[in-house]
Amino acid sequence: AQKVTQAQTEISVVEKEDVTLDCVYETRDTTYYLFWYKQPPSGELVFLIRRNSFDEQNEISGRYSWNFQKSTSSFNFTITASQVVDSAVYFCALTAGRDAGNMLTFGGGTRLMVKP
Amino acid sequence: EAQVTQNPRYLITVTGKKLTVTCSQNMNHEYMSWYRQDPGLGLRQIYYSMNVEVTDKGDVPEGYKVSRKEKRNFPLILESPSPNQTSLYFCASSIASGYNEQFFGPGTRLTVL
Repeated sequence: AQKVTQAQTEISVVEKEDVTLDCVYETRDTTYYLFWYKQPPSGELVFLIRRNSFDEQNEISGRYSWNFQKSTSSFNFTITASQVVDSAVYFCALTAGRDAGNMLTFGGGTRLMVKP
Repeated sequence: EAQVTQNPRYLITVTGKKLTVTCSQNMNHEYMSWYRQDPGLGLRQIYYSMNVEVTDKGDVPEGYKVSRKEKRNFPLILESPSPNQTSLYFCASSIASGYNEQFFGPGTRLTVL
């Protein structure tokens, strides 16, 4: 069985603050993929990043960065210098094992509110 | 424009009245999937399809049916809806599998009275 936990249900920050969204995953499989999706107030989900279990390199894309640590089963997401447009619900997701690539398990989501 | 469309966007119905939510993608994607989103539970996968005529259950398939007769369409059928199926439903597609970036539809908000 696989599981994704996003312990932070809501985070509120003031614009320009840095913020980290936590994601902890559980799987017995050695091959798996992790994802982050963003759901802005408009409702549609938007893909942000994919990382496979064999690639622990951190990634930076503009103000966004991701820290993948297999030792702690975490795939955390940091927004630097947050902006109001970053306000959204963010989901971490996992696909692993026999059904890797078929079934996707999402965390409960973290609602980020960035205040001006 | 590459997109996933869902219809209807909003639906209020009564217990037991069969309904279908349509999903269509114009990207020639192999993989399609249905999710439901409930507060605090994130998204949970209902069914997915790897290709035409190939479908399989996700985590919460009870009370739902799907079909994949054409590559572009993946309708979700509720034969006898119940109030616990009140939820926000998303259809998604990807080029090959769940490994790949999924493109999501706009969502269908369903209320079962």
